[in-house]
Amino acid sequence: DAGVIQSPRHEVTEMGQEVTLRCKPISGHDYLFWYRQTMMRGLELLIYFNNNVPIDDSGMPEDRFSAKMPNASFSTLKIQPSEPRDSAVYFCASSFFGHGDEQYFGPGTRLTVT
Amino acid sequence: KQEVTQIPAALSVPEGENLVLNCSFTDSAIYNLQWFRQDPGKGLTSLLLIQSSQREQTSGRLNASLDKSSGRSTLYIAASQPGDSATYLCAVPSGNTPLVFGKGTRLSVIA
Repeated sequence: DAGVIQSPRHEVTEMGQEVTLRCKPISGHDYLFWYRQTMMRGLELLIYFNNNVPIDDSGMPEDRFSAKMPNASFSTLKIQPSEPRDSAVYFCASSFFGHGDEQYFGPGTRLTVT
Repeated sequence: KQEVTQIPAALSVPEGENLVLNCSFTDSAIYNLQWFRQDPGKGLTSLLLIQSSQREQTSGRLNASLDKSSGRSTLYIAASQPGDSATYLCAVPSGNTPLVFGKGTRLSVIA
């Protein structure tokens, strides 16, 4: 398996623009996680899905953030409108099971909002 | 709310030294703990997963221990090499959150 795939790897956009980050989890994994990493706050869980259904989105910072998982092999994280404080590295991860299971991370998308 | 702390935040050692990275957590009601490695510009790679019923887990030159009652875990790296330079993060499941991460220890092994 190719591992968790994320695109794009880097995104630079202007404040107010819509940003869409994409993730393909490892085949057979039932759980998908979206994280945000910054120097100040470390790695934070934004939302996670089980069998394509959102389970906990309490980490999503604002209504500007939304995530979908239309099928088992694809998920998106959208920010609309983007703001400079959204600049961070966004990771997608997947696992067979949820709580405490070994998670496999993608390479991340480095987002810069100017 | 579970809080995970890693000390020190950064560590620099000469090649060949044995070293210990520390992780502490506030809620000891965990059933496992994981250690991850993150290289610059890359995602996280799982190194070791210790179940609460275990006290140690070993993989090559890495040995992780878990003391639930004191809320602590250590990652021991033997005979460190420049290739070990990375950030090491520990994480525990907590409440409704599958994993809560520490901020990591940035390790530099100097040749």
